[in-house]
Amino acid sequence: QKEVEQNSGPLSVPEGAIASLNCTYSDRGSQSFFWYRQYSGKSPELIMFIYSNGDKEDGRFTAQLNKASQYVSLLIRDSQPSDSATYLCATEGAAGNKLTFGGGTRVLVKP
Amino acid sequence: EADIYQTPRYLVIGTGKKITLECSQTMGHDKMYWYQQDPGMELHLIHYSYGVNSTEKGDLSSESTVSRIRTEHFPLTLESARPSHTSQYLCASSEPRGIETQYFGPGTRLLVL
Repeated sequence: QKEVEQNSGPLSVPEGAIASLNCTYSDRGSQSFFWYRQYSGKSPELIMFIYSNGDKEDGRFTAQLNKASQYVSLLIRDSQPSDSATYLCATEGAAGNKLTFGGGTRVLVKP
Repeated sequence: EADIYQTPRYLVIGTGKKITLECSQTMGHDKMYWYQQDPGMELHLIHYSYGVNSTEKGDLSSESTVSRIRTEHFPLTLESARPSHTSQYLCASSEPRGIETQYFGPGTRLLVL
């Protein structure tokens, strides 16, 4: 079992709809959780992080964390074609100082 | 916004050559990382450093080596390049305290013929 699991997709979303991405992790001691966006051929860029249970909103993005169930999700509201990318979930383990990345979910937003 | 630089951006080289991929950051970050990523595949941590004279191997075995003589500089070296080393190499750095927010450089695409 991978430490951080994501559905590889592609997740196809109509323009203007909500894209919902999920991520599960195995290290119950994980402290912080990150969402990165990676366009094809480019390096990952940080979207947001969350470390407390519940929701955290930043513009059109909302991260949701449920430590009891060991999952973190990302909602993209009003999806735009420019949101088409691979979204990487990452966790900072109990030991800290390193991130473990999932395989990423590819999102396609269709006009 | 992080200022982290990688050179070269693209490199095509023959088998057996020695290569060094450069990574520099101007934020004074103590922690730096090297990842390897094949197209459409996962990021794999190959080396990391928590500060000057500190280097550790990552989760993925790699034939490369790294050094950390200066805080801002974290070069990766392949003594003898092979076609299996063809990949994208990404450098990242993070702040010394608090949440482990990593910022990535633009990457180096390596092709070994």
